[in-house]
Amino acid sequence: ETGVTQTPRHLVMGMTNKKSLKCEQHLGHNAMYWYKQSAKKPLELMFVYNFKEQTENNSVPSRFSPECPNSSHLFLHLHTLQPEDSALYLCASSQGWDRPDQPQHFGDGTRLSIL
Amino acid sequence: EDKVVQSPLSLVVHEGDTVTLNCSYEVTNFRSLLWYKQEKKAPTFLFMLTSSGIEKKSGRLSSILDKKELFSILNITATQTGDSAIYLCAVNFGNEKLTFGTGTRLTIIP
Repeated sequence: ETGVTQTPRHLVMGMTNKKSLKCEQHLGHNAMYWYKQSAKKPLELMFVYNFKEQTENNSVPSRFSPECPNSSHLFLHLHTLQPEDSALYLCASSQGWDRPDQPQHFGDGTRLSIL
Repeated sequence: EDKVVQSPLSLVVHEGDTVTLNCSYEVTNFRSLLWYKQEKKAPTFLFMLTSSGIEKKSGRLSSILDKKELFSILNITATQTGDSAIYLCAVNFGNEKLTFGTGTRLTIIP
């Protein structure tokens, strides 16, 4: 139990579907992150939210749309995805900008498969 | 360009052996280096290193950072089958962003 919960654990969707990934953290953190983990590639940072404000969009295609309604919840809305978007999507949280001595904590991820 | 390189990419050893995993980096604004262990689920935090030459230990695991030569090592002594995992190295180059290496896949044979 890491304190970061992601749902669903697995998702299979067609290229024309719309779905959302959800992340919730119970650690009282102020920063939340989305990462993409593909086979044989490093984890790629996608988005960063700090105190609910998006502070980083790492050149992510617009078919991925993040939403952070509060410091505890983070969503990733998906639409018209491509087969190369199949990957493990990891959510993480940390104390925030003012605590660089604190690490990020990860959820178990959502395994996404695009048909 | 900020870059993190881990070696070896994979390693297979027998239970009881000692292993050393390597992480080298090129970053423009180093803040800290982190090690994570990833089994089938969430990467779990192991160590955060910010200062050169100070070893961090947790049981059979230890890690040290060399900021002059830009690398870190993760040592695991008396390995057990439960140590089988992917070990990820990441560097924080400021503003909470982490750059990850591709990881080292460690397999411990009973």
